Amino acid sequence: RKEVEQDPGPFNVPEGATVAFNCTYSNSASQSFFWYRQDCRKEPKLLMSVYSSGNEDGRFTAQLNRASQYISLLIRDSKLSDSATYLCVVGYLRDGNNRKLIWGLGTSLAVNP
Amino acid sequence: SQTIHQWPATLVQPVGSPLSLECTVEGTSNPNLYWYRQAAGRGLQLLFYSVGIGQISSEVPQNLSASRPQDRQFILSSKKLLLSDSGFYLCAWSRVRNTEAFFGQGTRLTVV
Repeated sequence: RKEVEQDPGPFNVPEGATVAFNCTYSNSASQSFFWYRQDCRKEPKLLMSVYSSGNEDGRFTAQLNRASQYISLLIRDSKLSDSATYLCVVGYLRDGNNRKLIWGLGTSLAVNP
Repeated sequence: SQTIHQWPATLVQPVGSPLSLECTVEGTSNPNLYWYRQAAGRGLQLLFYSVGIGQISSEVPQNLSASRPQDRQFILSSKKLLLSDSGFYLCAWSRVRNTEAFFGQGTRLTVV
């Protein structure tokens, strides 16, 4: 089993739709969770950190489910500009204070007019 | 505000040639610095990280090396490039090690 798994998609949705991605992780000791967005041939950009209680930033909502070991990203009222690859990142303490980040391969989203 | 600069944006190099990619961070001091590689169809792979000047940790054995001659400067090098070194190289920084990271624009390296 991969350490971090994402459905590669692509997810094709019309403008205005609500879309959700999940990301599962294998290490139960994982402590930090992030969603990044990466446009084609560009660098990843931090979209949001994921907190235990869940968090929202405008149209974006992130949730953490520790029991089932997954995080989710919900995008409401999709815009054309939301088309991108969404990367899930999970961090854990490898030894002592040595944090390690594991990157998923990403989920591709295409929002269509 | 903090900014990170990475150059060049694209590079085509012959096999066996040397490589030097440079990254600088502005607006912060003592950042944690990282070099990642993203190969086609693969996730981001951490190559090197640095918590301070002259301190380099390598994550995977390879044909590359890194140096941090100044607090906000991180350099990725190779003496002889291999075809398998082709990829998208990304420099990043974070305040705390392996937390939220911010990336430079990346260098798309093609070894021919």
